[in-house]
Amino acid sequence: QSALTQPPSASGSPGQSVAISCTGTSGDIGAYDYVSWYQQHPGKAPKLIIYEVNKRPSGVPDRFSGSKSGNTASLTVSGLQADDEADYYCGSYGGRKVFGGGTKLTVL
Amino acid sequence: EVQLVESGGGLAQPGGSLRLSCEVSGFSFRDSWMTWVRQAPGKGLEWVATINGDGSVKSYAEPIKGRFTASRDTAQNSLYLQMNNLRADDTAVYYCARNRAYNCLDFWGQGALVTVSS
Repeated sequence: QSALTQPPSASGSPGQSVAISCTGTSGDIGAYDYVSWYQQHPGKAPKLIIYEVNKRPSGVPDRFSGSKSGNTASLTVSGLQADDEADYYCGSYGGRKVFGGGTKLTVL
Repeated sequence: EVQLVESGGGLAQPGGSLRLSCEVSGFSFRDSWMTWVRQAPGKGLEWVATINGDGSVKSYAEPIKGRFTASRDTAQNSLYLQMNNLRADDTAVYYCARNRAYNCLDFWGQGALVTVSS
C-alpha cells in the first residue's frame, strides 16, 4: 500500500515558520481526524508531536501546530530553532494505518 | 516513567526466523493497544502490526501477513513479534510503540535492528 505523500525536504532560517504537507486520500486523511505527526532525530526513535490533526501531547511546544483540509494535512513549525532540524513523518490511523514518506527539515 | 525496551534483534538468514520482544513498564499494559513499526536503513516508517489489549484483535501489513505474528503476555508485561520466512527486505530497525486512544503512537521503544542476509 502506498504511503501518504510528503515533500522530501523543507528548510527555513531560525525564527521563521515552515509548513510540511501530507497528502492522502478520501479514505484516510479525508475521512478521519486521526492524523498524527512524529519528529525523529538521527539515530533516535520517533516522538509524537501532534495527534488527532491539531492536538499536542504534554511537553510539546506550541510552536508546533497541525491542521487539515480535505485530503491534506499540514504541520507548521513556527519560530524555528536549531533543534527542530529532524525528519518529520505524518501518520494516519483511519481506514488504513499508514505513514508518510518523511520530510527532512533543515534549519539554515 | 513509561519505558519500552526491545530485544531479540540480530542477524538471520533468508528463510530464517527471529522473535522480537518488547518489555514495557510505567503504564497499564493490559489496557493498551500496541503496535510494531519498522524502518529500513535510510528509509521511512512502515506500520507492521497492531494488537489489542487482550491479544484477541490483530491486524497486519500486507508485506508481512502470513509470515509475522504479534502476541503479548500480560503477566510478563511483554509484547512479541515472531518473524518467520524472513527476506532481505525485512531488514530494518523494529520499534514497538503504545497506541494512544488507538489512533496514534505516543511512546516508542529504542528499536531493535534485524538484518536478513546470507
